[in-house]
Amino acid sequence: GAVVSQHPSWVICKSGTSVKIECRSLDFQATTMFWYRQFPKKSLMLMATSNEGSKATYEQGVEKDKFLINHASLTLSTLTVTSAHPEDSSFYICSAADRGVAGANVLTFGAGSRLTVL
Amino acid sequence: KQEVTQIPAALSVPEGENLVLNCSFTDSAIYNLQWFRQDPGKGLTSLLLIQSSQREQTSGRLNASLDKSSGRSTLYIAASQPGDSATYLCAFNDYKLSFGAGTTVTVRA
Repeated sequence: GAVVSQHPSWVICKSGTSVKIECRSLDFQATTMFWYRQFPKKSLMLMATSNEGSKATYEQGVEKDKFLINHASLTLSTLTVTSAHPEDSSFYICSAADRGVAGANVLTFGAGSRLTVL
Repeated sequence: KQEVTQIPAALSVPEGENLVLNCSFTDSAIYNLQWFRQDPGKGLTSLLLIQSSQREQTSGRLNASLDKSSGRSTLYIAASQPGDSATYLCAFNDYKLSFGAGTTVTVRA
């Protein structure tokens, strides 16, 4: 079945530094990938939709300059948290749809990346 | 915007009891519905996927139903086990997934 790999699975960084999280579709091509954020004991919140070869579409309230998304190929999307601060500490999850599947509305999720900003 | 509500927020049952988790949504224009399991600090594991044209899906001890007319989906877990303890999330896909806040289940041995 479809597999989405996220890396790193956890990262600790100092305040003010930038952190990049990768999301890869291992055995399928993904025109679209989604990035979610989850606060403790809360549901997932969609941050942005990442489209291969074009700019990401951000949800209302998500700072595009803070959370940079790049989808340079059909198998890789990256989320960069720039100038991270403790309030950016969270669990980030990506998902991707297999464009080769008819009616590609089934999303496969990565295992998530836990970011802790000190 | 799709609003998704999961009730109850938490549930504790003795081992062997059947679990019933509820999910309601406001917009019936969906592609599909997914139920996920999330263990503490972990990512999501997809349990069941119901397409818009379907009414239910079954996998082992799990059964999920979908009633678009009433805006409800229910996840049944038969003969619960301590290993079923986790947070269960439902999500409706109208191109973008809308998640409920989840139901945290504890199965007591």
